[in-house]
Amino acid sequence: GDSVTQMEGPVTLSEEAFLTINCTYTATGYPSLFWYVQYPGEGLQLLLKATKADDKGSNKGFEATYRKETTSFHLEKGSVQVSDSAVYFCALSNTGGFKTIFGAGTRLFVKA
Amino acid sequence: DADVTQTPRNRITKTGKRIMLECSQTKGHDRMYWYRQDPGLGLRLIYYSFDVKDINKGEISDGYSVSRQAQAKFSLSLESAIPNQTALYFCATSDSAGGSLAGGPGANVLTFGAGSRLTVL
Repeated sequence: GDSVTQMEGPVTLSEEAFLTINCTYTATGYPSLFWYVQYPGEGLQLLLKATKADDKGSNKGFEATYRKETTSFHLEKGSVQVSDSAVYFCALSNTGGFKTIFGAGTRLFVKA
Repeated sequence: DADVTQTPRNRITKTGKRIMLECSQTKGHDRMYWYRQDPGLGLRLIYYSFDVKDINKGEISDGYSVSRQAQAKFSLSLESAIPNQTALYFCATSDSAGGSLAGGPGANVLTFGAGSRLTVL
């Protein structure tokens, strides 16, 4: 079945460092891909998405490119801030668009 | 007010008790979901509903039941709680208009509530 694998955390960075969180997926058809973020004590919220191969999703300085050839959707940010400390979830939604499968989540700590 | 409201936010109960978690939404979305979050496991789908008359089991529905009382309300019940049901539970909604069933990919963007933390002793 469909699945999402993302790098284990926690990831600890200093402020202004470059961030990469790896995500790969297994799916039939043409899934949509997402990154959700969960700040402490809150529910998940959509960070960015891409609905077809080679699309780049971007938001708040974060970017991810839908790579069908490597089945990947890695999250990147050029310069992280303390306020980016959160748990990041990679996810996919199947072709029918009604069921979302999540990775295990990667916790990010950013030090001042 | 939040778009998706969950009650209670925190609950401690004992083994064997019946528990209901409630979810209401003001998004006007037709689809509603219950997920469970456990450390290192991400979110796993318990039940989902496409409309009031449509209820479907997710990957971990055993020990849970749901009720879709109205388009805006979707409750999750644990008939006889057990300790391994201790977890953080999330309700989510989405709009079917955001997905494409006829060719091409859809984007089923989820809107989440703040979560209900359940502890079963």
